[in-house]
Amino acid sequence: KAGVTQTPRYLIKTRGQQVTLSCSPISGHRSVSWYQQTPGQGLQFLFEYFSETQRNKGNFPGRFSGRQFSNSRSEMNVSTLELGDSALYLCASSPAGTGTVVEAFFGQGTRLTVV
Amino acid sequence: GENVEQHPSTLSVQEGDSAVIKCTYSDSASNYFPWYKQELGKRPQLIIDIRSNVGEKKDQRIAVTLNKTAKHFSLHITETQPEDSAVYFCAAKRTSGYNKLIFGAGTRLAVHP
Repeated sequence: KAGVTQTPRYLIKTRGQQVTLSCSPISGHRSVSWYQQTPGQGLQFLFEYFSETQRNKGNFPGRFSGRQFSNSRSEMNVSTLELGDSALYLCASSPAGTGTVVEAFFGQGTRLTVV
Repeated sequence: GENVEQHPSTLSVQEGDSAVIKCTYSDSASNYFPWYKQELGKRPQLIIDIRSNVGEKKDQRIAVTLNKTAKHFSLHITETQPEDSAVYFCAAKRTSGYNKLIFGAGTRLAVHP
């Protein structure tokens, strides 16, 4: 089974630009979550999508948004980039559902650098 | 609010020694506690997890213990090897159908030959 695939692996953007990151979950997994990883703040939850619906959202400004397609692939968008948005963006896929506890598997991440 | 505290932030041991990393969570509704290992430049990988109805779980040299009353859980690595060197993250999650993991700040483990 192929793992979680994130594209691109690396991105360099200028302040004020916008960026779109992509995540393809493990086949059969319907839940995709996004996390931001920085040296100072660690791993922070951005949002989760399940069956094309955002189920939960972390404490990030509205510049951070996402969506999920019918094939469970998810995209994350950051508009009006700031220097502080430089981070490793990780997505995680899970097979659940509701009422069950299952593992989350991470992709390799997209390293975003804002200059 | 939801918070997970993790200690220590760095840990240095000699090969063959044991390593213990401790986490405390604040959300009493949490009932799933995974541990991830992240090597430099790589993705976090699940190494062991424990659910709230279990007090301890072992997998070869790795074990996790959970004290729900105290809201503590710990990772124990015995007979450490240089390849155990990595950053370890604990996390907590509710069984509410939402796959939202709250992570600790991480522990950088260095195992010296």
